[in-house]
Amino acid sequence: DAKTTQPPSMDCAEGRAANLPCNHSTISGNEYVYWYRQIHSQGPQYIIHGLKNNETNEMASLIITEDRKSSTLILPHATLRDTAVYYCIVRVANFGNEKLTFGTGTRLTIIP
Amino acid sequence: DAGVTQSPTHLIKTRGQQVTLRCSPKSGHDTVSWYQQALGQGPQFIFQYYEEEERQRGNFPDRFSGHQYPNYSSELNVNALLLGDSALYLCASKLSGLLYLNEQFFGPGTRLTVL
Repeated sequence: DAKTTQPPSMDCAEGRAANLPCNHSTISGNEYVYWYRQIHSQGPQYIIHGLKNNETNEMASLIITEDRKSSTLILPHATLRDTAVYYCIVRVANFGNEKLTFGTGTRLTIIP
Repeated sequence: DAGVTQSPTHLIKTRGQQVTLRCSPKSGHDTVSWYQQALGQGPQFIFQYYEEEERQRGNFPDRFSGHQYPNYSSELNVNALLLGDSALYLCASKLSGLLYLNEQFFGPGTRLTVL
């Protein structure tokens, strides 16, 4: 699985959009970008994934650059409950490969 | 619908002992993975079970072993415990099949302390 690079920490004001960057410059053509988050004392929670098109769901939006070497997770209206560690993961999504390779993630703090 | 459950929530052992951690997957899920998360680090993949067999394994020694039962529940066993095995152990489950490649559901974890 390709390596990812994320800033160790970020702050965001409550109600504003939180934009979390991820660099994955060695990503292969068949690797997807996944985002998970881990709220303190809980297991990681799936947020969103994408291959090359931008994606949106009820939790967040994922913007992937055209060359696929980086991406941004957007939480449109951050709340205090969004304070967590956010992990960007790159992996091949196929049957039999369930391994998620977590880095150290970005610790996002939402400021009231 | 209960999500992924793990037991016990906390456990204290001494070096050299053996430990068994348990996981019940989300209802209907047939694939279970185990992760180790040291303090301040991201989770590290240990192994994955499907159809009662270990299908994929991370870079962990043979002291780490597992089992999956016909009801899909799973156990993680660690022998000859070392101080460095102190960590949060996470279980994740998902449905197998091409339609379910993407989302894994994690339990709250078991906090193991080795003294």
